Amino acid sequence: DAGVIQSPRHEVTEMGQEVTLRCKPISGHNSLFWYRQTMMRGLELLIYFNNNVPIDDSGMPEDRFSAKMPNASFSTLKIQPSEPRDSAVYFCASSSEVGLENEQFFGPGTRLTVL
Amino acid sequence: DAKTTQPPSMDCAEGRAANLPCNHSTISGNEYVYWYRQIHSQGPQYIIHGLKNNETNEMASLIITEDRKSSTLILPHATLRDTAVYYCIVRSPGTYKYIFGTGTRLKVLA
Repeated sequence: DAGVIQSPRHEVTEMGQEVTLRCKPISGHNSLFWYRQTMMRGLELLIYFNNNVPIDDSGMPEDRFSAKMPNASFSTLKIQPSEPRDSAVYFCASSSEVGLENEQFFGPGTRLTVL
Repeated sequence: DAKTTQPPSMDCAEGRAANLPCNHSTISGNEYVYWYRQIHSQGPQYIIHGLKNNETNEMASLIITEDRKSSTLILPHATLRDTAVYYCIVRSPGTYKYIFGTGTRLKVLA
């Protein structure tokens, strides 16, 4: 298995532009998580999907952020419009069954820089 | 979920055992202790988890005290590639959230 796949690995954009981050979870996993990591705030959970349905989006910072999971093998995190304070590393993780002991498998992350 | 307390940094000589402590004095009876690590610029990686008993796998050993208020992650023969930030997390099986604290930055020295 290739593990969790994220694209792009690096993204540099200008303030005000739309940014779309992509994630392909591990095949067979039914839970997907988006995290954001910054020096100031550490690793924070943004949103959690179970069976393609958003269950908890309380970590999404504001309306500029949105996430979708149209099918079991693909998810996007969109920022529109982007701001310099959105600069961070964004991780996607997947898990086979939430509620049990199963661990989360993290992707390599997307490093976003908003100028 | 219970809060955890870890030292901010530790050094370990290559080839020696690295013992990383974690305090979780408010842990509940059904909460598991998980350890993850994050090597620079990579996503966090699962290491091991346990409830009450000590656990061992190919990466590490986890020692949980009898009162479950603290635990120690042991890397038996640390290598340079074990240099990373190590996170201790407690989580109940009915929840999905990991709350990552600041972790312990382990530096393995040649």
